[in-house]
Amino acid sequence: QKEVEQDPGPLSVPEGAIVSLNCTYSNSAFQYFMWYRQYSRKGPELLMYTYSSGNKEDGRFTAQVDKSSKYISLFIRDSQPSDSATYLCAKGYSGGGADGLTFGKGTHLIIQP
Amino acid sequence: KAGVTQTPRYLIKTRGQQVTLSCSPISGHRSVSWYQQTPGQGLQFLFEYFSETQRNKGNFPGRFSGRQFSNSRSEMNVSTLELGDSALYLCASSLERQGTGSYEQYFGPGTRLTVT
Repeated sequence: QKEVEQDPGPLSVPEGAIVSLNCTYSNSAFQYFMWYRQYSRKGPELLMYTYSSGNKEDGRFTAQVDKSSKYISLFIRDSQPSDSATYLCAKGYSGGGADGLTFGKGTHLIIQP
Repeated sequence: KAGVTQTPRYLIKTRGQQVTLSCSPISGHRSVSWYQQTPGQGLQFLFEYFSETQRNKGNFPGRFSGRQFSNSRSEMNVSTLELGDSALYLCASSLERQGTGSYEQYFGPGTRLTVT
C-alpha cells in the first residue's frame, strides 16, 4: 500500500462549482499536511499547510484534516479556470527531515469555462 | 523577494554522460532539498542540504550527488546518465531544516532533463 494515495483524475467541473480534492494516507505518524498546486511546466506552489485536525481556511481554499480516518481534503469555492492545475498533497512528521515528506502523485483538475 | 531559481531550465544529454544542475534558494533560506518528478513515480525526495551539509538522503543510487555552498546555493550532479533519469528535477528551499517546525518549502521551476 502506498503511503499517500490520490485519485489522478482528471477531475473536470464547471466554473463556479465547489471542488473537492482528497488524499488518504496509511502512516499514522504523519503530523503535518500540505497542499501544493502545480501548473504545467512549473514547480509546485505551496497553497496551504496544517498541523492539526479540523479545518483551515484561506480565501477560496479550505483544507480539512481527519486524522482518525487518515483523510485530508482540499475544497475550492467559486472555482475559476485559472484553478486548472495538478494538486499535490504532502504529508510529513516533525523531526523527520525532508525525507519525511511524502507526496501523492497529484490530481489533475480542469475547470471548464 | 526573488523566488527559487534553477538553471538550466532544459537539458538534453546522452546515456553515459554526466550533468550538473544548479539551484539558488530564496534569500535567507538555508535549507535546500532536491526532488525528482516523473509521471510514473511522482515527486521523490533526493536529498536535503542545510548549512553546507547533507542532512537527509532519499533512496537513489550513488550516481546522484549534491553539494551546498556557503551562500546556500546548491548543485546536484548525476553521473553515468541512464534513460530512466529523464525527469523534472525540482529544488525547494526553506528557512530551516524540514521537520523542525518550518513546514513551508518553496519550489523552483525545475530543470527538465532528457536523456537519449
